[in-house]
Amino acid sequence: EVQLVESGGGLIQPGGSLRLSCAASGFSVSSIYMSWVRQAPGKGLEWVSIIYTGGSTDYAGSVKGRFTISRDNSKNTVYLQMNTLRVDDTAVYYCARGLGALDSWGQGTLVTVSS
Amino acid sequence: IQMTQSPSILSASVGDRVTITCRASQNISMWVAWYQQKPGRAPKLLIYRASTLEDGVPSRFSGSGSGAEFTLTISGLQPDDFSTYYCQQYNSYSFGQGTKVEIK
Repeated sequence: EVQLVESGGGLIQPGGSLRLSCAASGFSVSSIYMSWVRQAPGKGLEWVSIIYTGGSTDYAGSVKGRFTISRDNSKNTVYLQMNTLRVDDTAVYYCARGLGALDSWGQGTLVTVSS
Repeated sequence: IQMTQSPSILSASVGDRVTITCRASQNISMWVAWYQQKPGRAPKLLIYRASTLEDGVPSRFSGSGSGAEFTLTISGLQPDDFSTYYCQQYNSYSFGQGTKVEIK
């Protein structure tokens, strides 16, 4: 059974850093594209980042240069390193898998950026 | 690529046929997915490649379109279908703004 479990969220001050983890089971994170999608409180879905099977990455303009996606194949885990966090980065962050459409999602982890 | 989804809110009754539309800012072939999201839950994939039903999704859900205009139709709305729906283009991964289907 495919399962994705996010962790690492919490309360952080503006300008701070946080690393989110997404532990996968039931498949290999190196065999499929893995994405991060976020949802601000009461708002819609926003795609954040993707790591492709070959290891290349892509980012939404709002996070480019501040966030870094990576994976550890030995731990079957995907990460999102978030630096220089801003108040408008406050959201539930989901990891999801899919070669295009996202067919499995984690339960999400809440990141709150506030002073 | 921008995805413009409409309407933002749709009021309907059980048994109704409802249609949600997404327009892309450029041709995206058939690279569109539709998701359902309930409050406090992760989104669930309903349809991919514009019209292919994900395994386990009821056949009352259907998708159509190609190029830049796409629709999600629910034929015979059920109580469990009152949710928020999102389209997504997976050329560059952006989502539509969402449509909340509420009880009339």
